[in-house]
Amino acid sequence: QSALTQPASVSGSPGQSITISCTGISSDVDGYNYVSWYQHHPGKAPKLMIYDVSNRPSGVSSRFSGSKFGDTASLAISGLQAKDEADYYCSSFTTNNTVAFGGGTKLTVL
Amino acid sequence: EMQVVESGGGLIQPGGSLRLSCVASGFTVSRNHMNWVRQAPGKGLEWVSVLHSGGSAYFAESVKGRFKISRDNSKNTLYLQMNSLRVEDTAIYYCARGGPPAAFDFWGQGTLVTVSS
Repeated sequence: QSALTQPASVSGSPGQSITISCTGISSDVDGYNYVSWYQHHPGKAPKLMIYDVSNRPSGVSSRFSGSKFGDTASLAISGLQAKDEADYYCSSFTTNNTVAFGGGTKLTVL
Repeated sequence: EMQVVESGGGLIQPGGSLRLSCVASGFTVSRNHMNWVRQAPGKGLEWVSVLHSGGSAYFAESVKGRFKISRDNSKNTLYLQMNSLRVEDTAIYYCARGGPPAAFDFWGQGTLVTVSS
């Protein structure tokens, strides 16, 4: 299975909003509403931030939101904070009952 | 408190075998879809395998035919048997509980596997 396409890096200043895109194909992102987003601080376990395109697990800040249009899903973070600086990954269920991850996006808070 | 702890990683020569373990507490492994996800040095996350609660197993193309996934219900433990290891299998291997498809809501700290001669 191919990796989903994410920008390598994004940046923003504290208080600003940013968006990270995740592009797939018909057999994954475009075919299912099963897209998730993870926050990963190096050396720590990844953390689930969004599942089923736009749902937030309990305890995740409402500053994080997810959406999807066609073959592209997006993660939006509003009111950027220093602690948001991390790597972010999208994932999608695929036709073969497997899971595809995006290549990851490094978020820098300036 | 829910927790998963991976073990079994180490240094292994190409062509060798290794078995990783994932001991869960606070939830029942056999009632959940349990996954292995890995991260090679300097690379992104890569899904490896899933063992569904019903017993079905699926693998990434990169490991199909070489890796096997299983569980021991009496020990509440998930395993990943890795055979014919390659240099490119070098990675931190994470055990993760699955909820909705492609949503992994609980992860361990990972165990490092290094394949090198």
